[in-house]
Amino acid sequence: KAGVTQTPRYLIKTRGQQVTLSCSPISGHRSVSWYQQTPGQGLQFLFEYFSETQRNKGNFPGRFSGRQFSNSRSEMNVSTLELGDSALYLCASSITGNPGANVLTFGAGSRLTVL
Amino acid sequence: QQQVKQSPQSLIVQKGGISIINCAYENTAFDYFPWYQQFPGKGPALLIAIRPDVSEKKEGRFTISFNKSAKQFSLHIMDSQPGDSATYFCAASMSNTGFQKLVFGTGTRLLVSP
Repeated sequence: KAGVTQTPRYLIKTRGQQVTLSCSPISGHRSVSWYQQTPGQGLQFLFEYFSETQRNKGNFPGRFSGRQFSNSRSEMNVSTLELGDSALYLCASSITGNPGANVLTFGAGSRLTVL
Repeated sequence: QQQVKQSPQSLIVQKGGISIINCAYENTAFDYFPWYQQFPGKGPALLIAIRPDVSEKKEGRFTISFNKSAKQFSLHIMDSQPGDSATYFCAASMSNTGFQKLVFGTGTRLLVSP
């Protein structure tokens, strides 16, 4: 069974640009969550999508946005990049609706460097 | 109130020893407490999780101890092995906001020496 796939794995952007990251969840998983991981702030929740709807949101500015498609694949976008947006962006998928299956499965992440 | 405090920041344990990582929380609405293991270049992977209605949960060499009154929980790794060398994160979430919205601790870098 394929895991959570994130693309691209590495990318370099300059300040002011925008970036789109992609996530393909495990087959059958309908919930996709995004996290930002930095040495200073650790792992922080960005948002969660289920059935193409944002169900939960963290405390990030509006420059951070996302969407989910009908096949459960998700993208996140960061506009007007700042140096502080340099981070590992992690996507995680889960089965929702099964109370006993509270398992978030993470991808390997997309490492964004902003110059 | 949304923080989860984790200690120590780093830990060195001899092979065969016991590794202990501690976490504390303030928000009593948290009702799901997982531990994640992360290797370099990989995403975090769920190790073991506990709910506040039990005080201990064991899976193989990994045990979570949970103290609801003290609002603390800890991970014990018995018979630690060099392959356990990784960064460990505790986390917490609330049912009413979904288990996917995890609040993570700051992480503990564990090194198990041969």
